[in-house]
This record gives sequence, C-alpha cells and structure tokens, in this order.
Amino acid sequence: QSVLTQPPSVSGAPGQRVTISCTGSSSNIGAGYDVYWYQQLPGTAPKLLIYGNSNRPSGVPDRFSGSKSGTSASLAITGLQVEDEADYYCQSYDSSLSGYVVFGGGTKLTVL
Amino acid sequence: QLQLQESGPGLVKPSETLSLTCTVSGGSISSSSYYWGWIRQPPGKGLEWIGNIYYSGSTYYNPSLKSRVTISVDTSKTQFSLKLSSVTAADTAVYYCARLPITAAGFDYWGQGTLATVSS
Repeated sequence: QSVLTQPPSVSGAPGQRVTISCTGSSSNIGAGYDVYWYQQLPGTAPKLLIYGNSNRPSGVPDRFSGSKSGTSASLAITGLQVEDEADYYCQSYDSSLSGYVVFGGGTKLTVL
Repeated sequence: QLQLQESGPGLVKPSETLSLTCTVSGGSISSSSYYWGWIRQPPGKGLEWIGNIYYSGSTYYNPSLKSRVTISVDTSKTQFSLKLSSVTAADTAVYYCARLPITAAGFDYWGQGTLATVSS
C-alpha cells in the first residue's frame, strides 16, 4: 500500500490529453511538500519529469505539465504520442515518516 | 555528464546480506549540494525508497527497512554502498542508485539498475 495513491492505469489516443492523479494526505502533499513526477519507459530507469510541483527539467517537452492543489497533484500530458507509453510515478515527502521520501504506486499509460 | 553505476552479486541466498555499490563518475560525490540514494523496484511492481546518505555520512532510512539497512559512502572511491541484511524472496528487486539535490529534492540522475535475486 503506497502512501501516495495513483490510478493503476490510464489510456488515450495519439494527440489527446490525459491526466494522472496523485492523492496524498495532510502529512505529505497537504503539508506543503513538493511533488515530483518520473517517467519510466519499459526496461529503463525512471527519469525525472517534473520537479517542484510544476517545473520541467531541461529537455522535457512542454507537453508535460504538473500541478498541485490541497492534498493532491496531477500530471497532464497533451498531444499524446506513442512514445509517451510508460509508467509514471509521483513522489513527495511525509512528515509522519520524519520527512522521508514516499512514492506513489505508479500509473501505466497506454497510448491506444 | 554525471553517471551512476550499480554493481554487486545478482544472486543472494535467503537470510544472507545483499551488498551493492554505486560508483559515481563525471561529478563529485563530496558536494554539499546532494544526497545519494537507493531505490528498489520488485519485478512488475512500483518504486520503494530505501534510504539516502550525505557526503558527511549522515543517513536517512525508510522506517520499514531501517532495522536491516546500512548505507555508507567512500568519497575517496566516489562510491556509496548498500547493505541489506536477512534478505528474503520479498527483497528480490531491481536496485537503483540515484542523486538527490538538497534543494530541488527530486532524484535527477539514476543508475541503470541492477537485479538482485534472493534464492537458494
């Protein structure tokens, strides 16, 4: 059972927009900790996609965006492409765990 | 370009200790700007944070694994290491090492990962 809750799967057609939610609680996202998102392509290591709730590292397309509100966060992908098919994980920190790292359970994105 | 590379035995017997090393190249492991962490992923499952270490040796462990985990750093070899004791089949996973900036606080560089299997 992950501290942060994500839907197991989402899907969309090429060109569409999809969102992936990450629900936490008052001890993590709701406590003001930032949210980070990672993309994991099949057979590879995770890659940082969004940091500080809504910032993109250099090289990440602006089709990817992040937001945070209350005890939840969301990752939006617009103009869906076949190569976006991957697992996506949110990450934050939790004060009930001494401010340590927590991950969501991951969401499998399928591009139809 | 910073690179991280995990190494260690791919097969560990139950009840023994899993030992892995992460070698950092292309950057300094002694920088005060970063933590260095271990994350694992059981086959077909999600990511689990194991712990972080600072260049000074300060450590931070996942409470669920704390009693079995030791992370250490050797700045002279630009390496940090993971030891997980009393392993069971549930510890079978791909183990990743990664860098965690103390400011941005997202793991920004990852190793390719190494599969450690616990089996007799």
